[in-house]
Amino acid sequence: GNSVTQMEGPVTLSEEAFLTINCTYTATGYLSLFWYVQYPGEGLQLLLKATKADDKGSNKGFEATYRKETTSFHLEKGSVQVSDSAVYFCALNSYGQNFVFGPGTRLSVLP
Amino acid sequence: DSGVTQTPKHLITATGQRVTLRCSPRSGDLSVYWYQQSLDQGLQFLIQYYNGEERAKGNILERFSAQQFPDLHSELNLSSLELGDSALYFCASSSSGQGSGNTIYFGEGSWLTVV
Repeated sequence: GNSVTQMEGPVTLSEEAFLTINCTYTATGYLSLFWYVQYPGEGLQLLLKATKADDKGSNKGFEATYRKETTSFHLEKGSVQVSDSAVYFCALNSYGQNFVFGPGTRLSVLP
Repeated sequence: DSGVTQTPKHLITATGQRVTLRCSPRSGDLSVYWYQQSLDQGLQFLIQYYNGEERAKGNILERFSAQQFPDLHSELNLSSLELGDSALYFCASSSSGQGSGNTIYFGEGSWLTVV
C-alpha cells in the first residue's frame, strides 16, 4: 500500500532560519501530495498541495515541489517565524485509495 | 475556519461509558472521515463515509461505530470506553470519495478524556 515517510523531529530552529522538512513516499498511479499544519490546540489545516509531477505548491512563504524522480515532496521556508511553531504532516492521495499521512514533524522556532 | 463543525469540543467521561461525537461537513461535501490522534501520536484513520454509505474502514475498534445521515452529518459512537481511548478525534470532509486531487478539510476536533 501507499506510505509516507517524513523526518519525525522535533526540529528546533532560531527565528529567520531556513527550514526543510523532508518527505518521501511510496505510491503508484496518479498522486496528489499535501502538507497540512497543526497549530497547538487546533485541527489540521491544509498548507499547500501539488496535483501533478513537478508542480510546486506554495502558501504563507512555504513551498514544496512534487518530485516524481525522487518520490519526494520536501517542505521549505526561507525564514521561519515563531508563529510557524506547529506540527507539519505530509500526506498523499491517489485514485481509489484513502489519504495516507506521515507521522508528523514538530517544529519549534525560538525567538 | 475549515467549515467542518465538530461537537462537543471537550468531553470527560468515565470508563465503561458510551459517548457520541458529532460532525457536520463543509457545505456540499459528500465524504466524511474520522481520525483518532493520541497524545504525541500520528493520525489513525478510523472510517470514511460517502453520501451515507461506508466507503473505507481503517483501524477502528469493534467498540466504535459510525454512521452518516441523509443530511450528511456524521456521528462516531464510542462505547465501553477505556482509558486508552482518551484522544483527540477529528472529523474531516471532502467533496468526493477517493479521487486523486481530492482535498480533505479537518474540523477542530473533539477532545475525549476517559477517567
